[in-house]
Amino acid sequence: EAQVTQNPRYLITVTGKKLTVTCSQNMNHEYMSWYRQDPGLGLRQIYYSMNVEVTDKGDVPEGYKVSRKEKRNFPLILESPSPNQTSLYFCASSNRVNNQPQHFGDGTRLSIL
Amino acid sequence: GESVGLHLPTLSVQEGDNSIINCAYSNSASDYFIWYKQESGKGPQFIIDIRSNMDKRQGQRVTVLLNKTVKHLSLQIAATQPGDSAVYFCAERNLNKFYFGSGTKLNVKP
Repeated sequence: EAQVTQNPRYLITVTGKKLTVTCSQNMNHEYMSWYRQDPGLGLRQIYYSMNVEVTDKGDVPEGYKVSRKEKRNFPLILESPSPNQTSLYFCASSNRVNNQPQHFGDGTRLSIL
Repeated sequence: GESVGLHLPTLSVQEGDNSIINCAYSNSASDYFIWYKQESGKGPQFIIDIRSNMDKRQGQRVTVLLNKTVKHLSLQIAATQPGDSAVYFCAERNLNKFYFGSGTKLNVKP
């Protein structure tokens, strides 16, 4: 089954404790992206990757890092999480960025205390 | 940054009626637009898309209209069903980035 898998689905942690949210897709997609979803603000793009070893900032990259060492994986790293990063996070992928809709994972809810 | 907004945050319709969800976008350079449906506890699900060189595209029970003159996008759902109840997002692409609206909640009354 074609899917985007995120882990964990839920996480409660404390300020400053590094965490990683993993994202994996099994569709051989080139383009991958991370979004955060906050009430009233919709989805905002954090980082995206056009292909292996190519990453770029989205609209709200501050406080986040990503890597793309393999085509299928695109982890989101919070080196020093803060309470304002409490949010619902989605990973997405598409075959090519040109005129191809993204497939989304089911989300990761992060709470930073 | 980009601004993709919606005219109405909540839309209630009777089962069987047609629904129209509207979206305004801000960047005239955006070249690709997508509508997504999001159900509670799930990620956005693709409904229909349209390129900027088109003004209308139809799918199964759904139609997307694009008016580049006024930078407006709409999603029409024919014969709305209870299963259509969800939050709907429009998204635009500018260069390699995507910008989403804040969403419209569609309530379908039986």
